[in-house]
Amino acid sequence: DVKVTQSSRYLVKRTGEKVFLECVQDMDHENMFWYRQDPGLGLRLIYFSYDVKMKEKGDIPEGYSVSREKKERFSLILESASTNQTSMYLCASSSYIAGGETQYFGPGTRLLVL
Amino acid sequence: SQKIEQNSEALNIQEGKTATLTCNYTNYSPAYLQWYRQDPGRGPVFLILIRENEKEKRKERLKVTFDTTLKQSLFHITASQPADSATYLCAPSNTGNQFYFGTGTSLTVIP
Repeated sequence: DVKVTQSSRYLVKRTGEKVFLECVQDMDHENMFWYRQDPGLGLRLIYFSYDVKMKEKGDIPEGYSVSREKKERFSLILESASTNQTSMYLCASSSYIAGGETQYFGPGTRLLVL
Repeated sequence: SQKIEQNSEALNIQEGKTATLTCNYTNYSPAYLQWYRQDPGRGPVFLILIRENEKEKRKERLKVTFDTTLKQSLFHITASQPADSATYLCAPSNTGNQFYFGTGTSLTVIP
């Protein structure tokens, strides 16, 4: 089974702090993604990466950066956390099966910025 | 820009009945469409994928249809059980690296 793990399930940070969210997948997938999920807004793509050291902006990259130094690890960085970044953060990797690209999600990190 | 709409935020049905969830999309032509299940506080889990050249696909108690003319997918769970209670997300998709998800329909199966 594909396993995607995230470093924390719950995180509380203060405004202005630098925050690191780590994600690791064990299936040698090329593509990895970071989303945030908010009530009524659904899943919104922040960044994705299709190879080591490669990254592409998603729909809402402002206030975030990412790092992919190794194939299995994709990190999301909040340079200076703000209260509007309080959210559920979901990491995913993807593979191509039976006619389409399917995503495998981690358990999520619920971040509260005070 | 792409728009994905899923029917009513919440759907309640009696155990044993068939649940039908709807996904409508506009402004793009997906090559395939996926459905995911999400339990509270958890990441979504892939359930089933249907390609644009497939009209219908079945997997155990799940049935999915994909109408590219209507730009709509229907997701059915037959003989529903309380354990099927969850939020279901649709994701009309294309080849490439961007994914778009609907906001989901919360299904509650009442014993």
